[in-house]
Amino acid sequence: GAVVSQHPSRVICKSGTSVKIECRSLDFQATTMFWYRQFPKQSLMLMATSNEGSKATYEQGVEKDKFLINHASLTLSTLTVTSAHPEDSSFYICSAGPGGNHNSPLHFGNGTRLTVT
Amino acid sequence: QKEVEQNSGPLSVPEGAIASLNCTYSDRVSQSFFWYRQYSGKSPELIMSIYSNGDKEDGRFTAQLNKASQYVSLLIRDSQPSDSATYLCAVNESGGSYIPTFGRGTSLIVHP
Repeated sequence: GAVVSQHPSRVICKSGTSVKIECRSLDFQATTMFWYRQFPKQSLMLMATSNEGSKATYEQGVEKDKFLINHASLTLSTLTVTSAHPEDSSFYICSAGPGGNHNSPLHFGNGTRLTVT
Repeated sequence: QKEVEQNSGPLSVPEGAIASLNCTYSDRVSQSFFWYRQYSGKSPELIMSIYSNGDKEDGRFTAQLNKASQYVSLLIRDSQPSDSATYLCAVNESGGSYIPTFGRGTSLIVHP
């Protein structure tokens, strides 16, 4: 149980274009999902908390107008990287927990490797 | 500022040995503790959860928690080359937001 599906797994796009990444909880409902970014050999960095039916909460230093998050249903959150630039190239990972409480571990999607050329 | 500290390593152990991975945390009200394994280029996967003081065993993995010392560890018995990965410690506080705080991870290398 507790499967989180993320799509696409890999995307290459040109500078200036936008890329949408989908994150789905397959066997549970997730009122909250989390988006992380990880640069090579670096630790996970929380970008934002996605809340179903309301605005996302962004971490300090993350541009909300550049990284658009939509959590329209209890099983789907999307992250759109707008006007992508080469420095946005990274590994983006979503996560969610079925329990919705502090005892509930997060389960991660398989990640999306974004390369901006 | 909640902090979760891990030695970045790499920790190198021979095949068949016990690998010991350590994690300390700063927030005394932390209540839930998790270990994740992350292979290079992949996303983290949950391997252990622990909530009470003491040991919790699952196959070759044993998590140890000492809340008084604010210390949680992961032991891997009979280490295999396939255990080579980065191990992330994550800590949840008892109330409010349940966003876990992650350590930077310890790189483990198991050599044949």
